[in-house]
Amino acid sequence: DVKVTQSSRYLVKRTGEKVFLECVQDMDHENMFWYRQDPGLGLRLIYFSYDVKMKEKGDIPEGYSVSREKKERFSLILESASTNQTSMYLCASSLIAGGPDTQYFGPGTRLTVL
Amino acid sequence: AQTVTQSQPEMSVQEAETVTLSCTYDTSENNYYLFWYKQPPSRQMILVIRQEAYKQQNATENRFSVNFQKAAKSFSLKISDSQLGDTAMYFCAFMKPTIWGKLQFGAGTQVVVTP
Repeated sequence: DVKVTQSSRYLVKRTGEKVFLECVQDMDHENMFWYRQDPGLGLRLIYFSYDVKMKEKGDIPEGYSVSREKKERFSLILESASTNQTSMYLCASSLIAGGPDTQYFGPGTRLTVL
Repeated sequence: AQTVTQSQPEMSVQEAETVTLSCTYDTSENNYYLFWYKQPPSRQMILVIRQEAYKQQNATENRFSVNFQKAAKSFSLKISDSQLGDTAMYFCAFMKPTIWGKLQFGAGTQVVVTP
Protein backbone atom coordinates (compact mmCIF):
# COMPACT_ATOMS: atom_id res chain seq x y z
CA ASP A 1 0.00 0.00 0.00
CA VAL A 2 1.09 3.51 -0.77
CA LYS A 3 1.80 5.51 2.31
CA VAL A 4 1.86 9.28 2.40
CA THR A 5 2.73 10.77 5.75
CA GLN A 6 2.73 14.35 6.97
CA SER A 7 4.89 15.60 9.79
CA SER A 8 2.11 16.96 12.00
CA ARG A 9 -1.65 16.48 12.32
CA TYR A 10 -2.12 19.75 14.17
CA LEU A 11 0.08 22.82 14.24
CA VAL A 12 -0.35 26.21 15.92
CA LYS A 13 1.90 29.07 14.86
CA ARG A 14 2.06 32.80 15.35
CA THR A 15 1.76 35.45 12.68
CA GLY A 16 5.08 36.12 11.02
CA GLU A 17 6.63 32.77 11.89
CA LYS A 18 8.26 30.62 9.22
CA VAL A 19 6.40 27.33 8.96
CA PHE A 20 7.54 24.06 7.43
CA LEU A 21 5.10 21.30 6.52
CA GLU A 22 6.73 18.04 5.56
CA CYS A 23 5.36 15.25 3.39
CA VAL A 24 6.94 11.86 2.70
CA GLN A 25 5.79 9.12 0.34
CA ASP A 26 7.21 5.62 0.27
CA MET A 27 6.27 4.38 -3.22
CA ASP A 28 8.81 6.08 -5.47
CA HIS A 29 6.15 8.33 -6.98
CA GLU A 30 7.24 10.95 -9.48
CA ASN A 31 4.64 13.56 -8.66
CA MET A 32 3.84 15.27 -5.41
CA PHE A 33 1.24 17.91 -4.65
CA TRP A 34 0.29 20.36 -1.91
CA TYR A 35 -3.35 21.41 -1.51
CA ARG A 36 -5.19 23.51 0.99
CA GLN A 37 -8.71 22.54 1.97
CA ASP A 38 -11.22 25.12 3.14
CA PRO A 39 -14.97 24.66 3.79
CA GLY A 40 -17.05 25.51 0.75
CA LEU A 41 -13.99 25.77 -1.48
CA GLY A 42 -12.88 22.17 -1.73
CA LEU A 43 -9.20 21.52 -2.37
CA ARG A 44 -7.08 24.06 -4.14
CA LEU A 45 -3.64 23.28 -5.54
CA ILE A 46 -0.80 25.34 -4.10
CA TYR A 47 2.28 23.80 -5.73
CA PHE A 48 3.28 20.54 -7.32
CA SER A 49 6.48 18.80 -8.28
CA TYR A 50 7.06 16.27 -11.05
CA ASP A 51 10.69 15.53 -10.25
CA VAL A 52 13.40 16.22 -7.72
CA LYS A 53 14.21 19.94 -7.57
CA MET A 54 11.40 20.68 -10.02
CA LYS A 55 8.30 22.64 -9.00
CA GLU A 56 5.35 24.28 -10.63
CA LYS A 57 2.87 26.79 -9.25
CA GLY A 58 -0.66 25.68 -8.75
CA ASP A 59 -3.74 27.87 -8.47
CA ILE A 60 -2.90 29.66 -5.21
CA PRO A 61 0.90 29.85 -4.76
CA GLU A 62 1.04 33.31 -3.18
CA GLY A 63 2.60 33.26 0.28
CA TYR A 64 3.97 29.75 -0.14
CA SER A 65 7.11 28.10 -1.45
CA VAL A 66 8.16 24.46 -1.77
CA SER A 67 11.24 22.31 -1.72
CA ARG A 68 11.91 18.87 -3.12
CA GLU A 69 15.48 17.82 -2.49
CA LYS A 70 14.72 14.09 -2.47
CA LYS A 71 12.19 12.16 -4.48
CA GLU A 72 10.25 10.95 -1.47
CA ARG A 73 10.00 14.28 0.36
CA PHE A 74 8.09 17.44 -0.53
CA SER A 75 8.04 20.39 1.82
CA LEU A 76 5.65 23.32 1.93
CA ILE A 77 7.03 26.53 3.40
CA LEU A 78 5.12 29.51 4.68
CA GLU A 79 7.78 32.22 4.73
CA SER A 80 5.81 34.51 7.05
CA ALA A 81 2.63 32.92 8.29
CA SER A 82 -0.53 34.99 8.25
CA THR A 83 -3.96 34.35 9.77
CA ASN A 84 -5.50 33.82 6.34
CA GLN A 85 -3.27 30.78 5.95
CA THR A 86 -5.14 28.99 8.73
CA SER A 87 -6.40 25.91 6.92
CA MET A 88 -6.10 22.16 6.40
CA TYR A 89 -3.11 21.27 4.24
CA LEU A 90 -3.09 18.03 2.29
CA CYS A 91 -0.16 16.42 0.54
CA ALA A 92 -0.62 13.91 -2.27
CA SER A 93 1.52 11.84 -4.60
CA SER A 94 0.99 9.96 -7.84
CA LEU A 95 3.12 7.62 -9.88
CA ILE A 96 2.71 9.19 -13.31
CA ALA A 97 1.30 12.41 -14.62
CA GLY A 98 -1.28 13.18 -17.24
CA GLY A 99 -3.33 10.04 -17.06
CA PRO A 100 -6.08 8.79 -14.78
CA ASP A 101 -3.54 8.00 -12.16
CA THR A 102 -4.74 7.92 -8.58
CA GLN A 103 -3.44 10.57 -6.25
CA TYR A 104 -2.71 9.20 -2.79
CA PHE A 105 -3.29 11.62 0.02
CA GLY A 106 -1.71 12.12 3.40
CA PRO A 107 -3.78 12.57 6.57
CA GLY A 108 -3.53 16.34 6.46
CA THR A 109 -2.10 19.03 8.73
CA ARG A 110 -4.53 21.41 10.35
CA LEU A 111 -2.62 24.66 10.71
CA THR A 112 -3.83 27.48 12.92
CA VAL A 113 -2.07 30.84 12.68
CA LEU A 114 -2.74 33.14 15.63
CA ALA B 1 -10.05 27.26 -16.84
CA GLN B 2 -12.09 24.34 -15.67
CA THR B 3 -14.65 24.67 -12.90
CA VAL B 4 -16.28 21.88 -10.96
CA THR B 5 -19.59 22.46 -9.22
CA GLN B 6 -21.16 20.35 -6.51
CA SER B 7 -24.50 21.93 -5.71
CA GLN B 8 -25.40 19.83 -2.67
CA PRO B 9 -23.44 20.84 0.46
CA GLU B 10 -24.93 18.03 2.53
CA MET B 11 -27.08 14.96 2.04
CA SER B 12 -28.55 12.50 4.48
CA VAL B 13 -29.49 8.92 3.68
CA GLN B 14 -30.65 5.94 5.71
CA GLU B 15 -28.74 2.70 5.81
CA ALA B 16 -29.47 0.41 2.84
CA GLU B 17 -30.95 3.28 0.83
CA THR B 18 -29.53 4.90 -2.30
CA VAL B 19 -28.16 8.41 -2.59
CA THR B 20 -27.05 10.32 -5.68
CA LEU B 21 -24.52 13.14 -5.57
CA SER B 22 -24.43 15.64 -8.40
CA CYS B 23 -21.40 17.16 -10.10
CA THR B 24 -21.20 19.40 -13.11
CA TYR B 25 -18.11 20.78 -14.75
CA ASP B 26 -17.20 23.28 -17.36
CA THR B 27 -14.51 22.59 -19.94
CA SER B 28 -13.76 23.05 -23.61
CA GLU B 29 -11.61 19.90 -23.66
CA ASN B 30 -12.77 16.76 -25.42
CA ASN B 31 -10.53 14.33 -23.56
CA TYR B 32 -10.28 14.43 -19.79
CA TYR B 33 -10.75 12.37 -16.66
CA LEU B 34 -13.25 12.61 -13.83
CA PHE B 35 -12.94 11.31 -10.31
CA TRP B 36 -14.86 10.95 -7.09
CA TYR B 37 -12.81 11.03 -3.92
CA LYS B 38 -14.05 10.22 -0.42
CA GLN B 39 -12.76 11.82 2.80
CA PRO B 40 -14.07 10.03 5.91
CA PRO B 41 -14.04 11.95 9.21
CA SER B 42 -10.45 12.36 10.42
CA ARG B 43 -9.19 9.92 7.83
CA GLN B 44 -7.28 10.14 4.59
CA MET B 45 -8.90 10.95 1.28
CA ILE B 46 -9.21 7.95 -1.01
CA LEU B 47 -10.28 7.42 -4.59
CA VAL B 48 -13.78 6.02 -5.03
CA ILE B 49 -14.16 5.84 -8.79
CA ARG B 50 -12.83 7.37 -12.02
CA GLN B 51 -14.12 7.82 -15.53
CA GLU B 52 -12.33 8.50 -18.79
CA ALA B 53 -14.28 10.92 -21.00
CA TYR B 54 -13.68 8.88 -24.14
CA LYS B 55 -15.42 5.87 -22.60
CA GLN B 56 -19.16 5.89 -23.02
CA GLN B 57 -19.71 3.13 -20.49
CA ASN B 58 -20.31 4.37 -16.97
CA ALA B 59 -17.75 3.25 -14.40
CA THR B 60 -18.81 1.01 -11.51
CA GLU B 61 -17.01 -0.03 -8.36
CA ASN B 62 -19.07 -2.35 -6.18
CA ARG B 63 -21.84 -0.21 -4.63
CA PHE B 64 -20.59 2.97 -6.31
CA SER B 65 -21.51 3.89 -9.84
CA VAL B 66 -21.48 7.02 -11.95
CA ASN B 67 -23.81 8.54 -14.50
CA PHE B 68 -21.55 10.31 -16.96
CA GLN B 69 -23.35 12.62 -19.38
CA LYS B 70 -20.65 14.17 -21.54
CA ALA B 71 -22.86 16.51 -23.54
CA ALA B 72 -24.44 17.84 -20.36
CA LYS B 73 -21.04 17.93 -18.58
CA SER B 74 -22.51 16.02 -15.69
CA PHE B 75 -20.90 13.34 -13.55
CA SER B 76 -23.10 12.10 -10.72
CA LEU B 77 -22.20 9.45 -8.15
CA LYS B 78 -24.70 6.89 -6.94
CA ILE B 79 -24.13 5.06 -3.68
CA SER B 80 -26.31 1.99 -3.42
CA ASP B 81 -27.13 0.06 -0.24
CA SER B 82 -25.60 2.84 1.86
CA GLN B 83 -23.56 1.80 4.88
CA LEU B 84 -22.56 3.73 8.00
CA GLY B 85 -18.98 3.66 6.75
CA ASP B 86 -20.02 5.69 3.71
CA THR B 87 -20.39 8.75 5.93
CA ALA B 88 -17.80 11.13 4.52
CA MET B 89 -17.15 14.22 2.46
CA TYR B 90 -17.24 13.39 -1.23
CA PHE B 91 -15.33 15.44 -3.76
CA CYS B 92 -15.78 15.47 -7.50
CA ALA B 93 -12.59 16.24 -9.44
CA PHE B 94 -11.58 16.96 -13.03
CA MET B 95 -8.25 16.33 -14.73
CA LYS B 96 -7.01 17.35 -18.15
CA PRO B 97 -4.67 14.79 -19.73
CA THR B 98 -1.64 17.04 -19.54
CA ILE B 99 1.72 15.90 -18.30
CA TRP B 100 1.11 17.47 -14.94
CA GLY B 101 -1.93 15.51 -13.78
CA LYS B 102 -3.47 18.42 -11.93
CA LEU B 103 -6.82 17.88 -10.28
CA GLN B 104 -9.53 20.53 -10.07
CA PHE B 105 -11.87 19.81 -7.17
CA GLY B 106 -15.44 20.77 -6.41
CA ALA B 107 -16.48 22.15 -3.03
CA GLY B 108 -17.58 18.76 -1.73
CA THR B 109 -20.79 17.11 -0.53
CA GLN B 110 -21.07 15.87 3.04
CA VAL B 111 -22.92 12.55 3.12
CA VAL B 112 -24.36 11.36 6.42
CA VAL B 113 -25.66 7.81 6.62
CA THR B 114 -28.09 7.27 9.48
CA PRO B 115 -29.16 3.97 11.06
